[in-house]
Amino acid sequence: NAGVTQTPKFRVLKTGQSMTLLCAQDMNHEYMYWYRQDPGMGLRLIHYSVGEGTTAKGEVPDGYNVSRLKKQNFLLGLESAAPSQTSVYFCASKFPLGGAGDTQYFGPGTRLTVL
Amino acid sequence: GENVEQHPSTLSVQEGDSAVIKCTYSDSASNYFPWYKQELGKGPQLIIDIRSNVGEKKDQRIAVTLNKTAKHFSLHITETQPEDSAVYFCAASLYNNNDMRFGAGTRLTVKP
Repeated sequence: NAGVTQTPKFRVLKTGQSMTLLCAQDMNHEYMYWYRQDPGMGLRLIHYSVGEGTTAKGEVPDGYNVSRLKKQNFLLGLESAAPSQTSVYFCASKFPLGGAGDTQYFGPGTRLTVL
Repeated sequence: GENVEQHPSTLSVQEGDSAVIKCTYSDSASNYFPWYKQELGKGPQLIIDIRSNVGEKKDQRIAVTLNKTAKHFSLHITETQPEDSAVYFCAASLYNNNDMRFGAGTRLTVKP
């Protein structure tokens, strides 16, 4: 099992450019999440999905869109990047309520810089 | 919404000493409190968690305590080793709620 993988690992964008971050998991998890991590602020939830075809807003959703067309993939899009979106982005996944508890499994992160 | 505060932001200990990291939360309805360890260049990894129906949980050298009345919980690492050096995050949420709030993190350095 590869677990949770993220593509790309690094990216530099200019203000106004668009891009899509891909998260893939091979653990058959129903729930998937996108977080951003900024210095001194911990992780903040951007969007999440509780199943294929569903998405919901988290704590800081503005400027981002997501899609969950396949159960194993969760895409995070930036339509018009801004310097404030410079951050490290983490994807996570988990089973729903059940024997596995509430453990979220995180990917290795994508470091995004917006100039 | 839930607000989680974590202290200290940095902690340096000698190998073999104990380390304690403390978190407070604001929403008395929160009932699930995980701790994550993040090594350099990697994603966070769950190391221990506790639910509000217990006051303490141990797993080898790590333990978590919860005081629901005071709304704070702590991570205790005994007999620290250099490989314990990492950033540790606490979090709080309703069990199986998707809106988990994280503390700002504690950078632990264990000196050999």
